[in-house]
Amino acid sequence: GAGVSQSPSNKVTEKGKDVELRCDPISGHTALYWYRQSLGQGLEFLIYFQGNSAPDKSGLPSDRFSAERTGGSVSTLTIQRTQQEDSAVYLCASSRGTGGLETQYFGPGTRLLVL
Amino acid sequence: GEDVEQSLFLSVREGDSSVINCTYTDSSSTYLYWYKQEPGAGLQLLTYIFSNMDMKQDQRLTVLLNKKDKHLSLRIADTQTGDSAIYFCAESMRNDYKLSFGAGTTVTVRA
Repeated sequence: GAGVSQSPSNKVTEKGKDVELRCDPISGHTALYWYRQSLGQGLEFLIYFQGNSAPDKSGLPSDRFSAERTGGSVSTLTIQRTQQEDSAVYLCASSRGTGGLETQYFGPGTRLLVL
Repeated sequence: GEDVEQSLFLSVREGDSSVINCTYTDSSSTYLYWYKQEPGAGLQLLTYIFSNMDMKQDQRLTVLLNKKDKHLSLRIADTQTGDSAIYFCAESMRNDYKLSFGAGTTVTVRA
C-alpha cells in the first residue's frame, strides 16, 4: 500500500490477556516507530527501529511491552498481561531513515480497550 | 511530552484566523513540526520549520519561530470547518529520529 497500515483497527480485550498489534510500514522505509496516545495526552514514544541496528526501547513503559521487526519490514508490538491503563491508541510511523529531515508518516492507529 | 507544551483547546469562528501556540524547552531542537490529527485518523504532517528559520509560509499556514523564547506558533488563515482537528507540535534533535510531541490543541471551528 501507499501508506502505513496497522491492524487491527480496534481491539477489545480482557485484563490479563496478551495482545499483538501489527504495523506495515511504507515500502523502503528503514525507520519504524511505535507511539502510544492516551486520552487527552500527547504521543508517548515507545520504541524505534532503524535498519539492522539495535532498537531504541527507552520508551517502553514496562517489561510487559515488547516489539519486534522481522525482515526489516513488518513490526509487531506485544503487550502481555494487559492492564486497564494500557487502554490507548497505539500509533505506528515510518520514515526513510536517511537522516536530516525525517518526515514520519503515521498509520491510522490501533484502538485498544482493556476491560 | 513534558518538554513540549501546548494549550489544550481553541475555538474559532469560520473565516477567522487561528493561532496555535507551543513552547519547547530543548534549545538543541533542530526541526519543529506541526501535525494534524482528524477524528479517527493518524497524524498528518502539516508543515515543519528548521531551527535557523524565523518564519515559514505555506498557503494558509504560517509558522513563526522565536528561538530566544523557545516559542513556536501556527497560524491558519481563513479557518474552515475542515480545519477542526487536534494539532500537535513536535520537536526533534540533530541525529535523533525520535519526535517529542506536545499534548495537542483541539481546534473547534464554529459557524
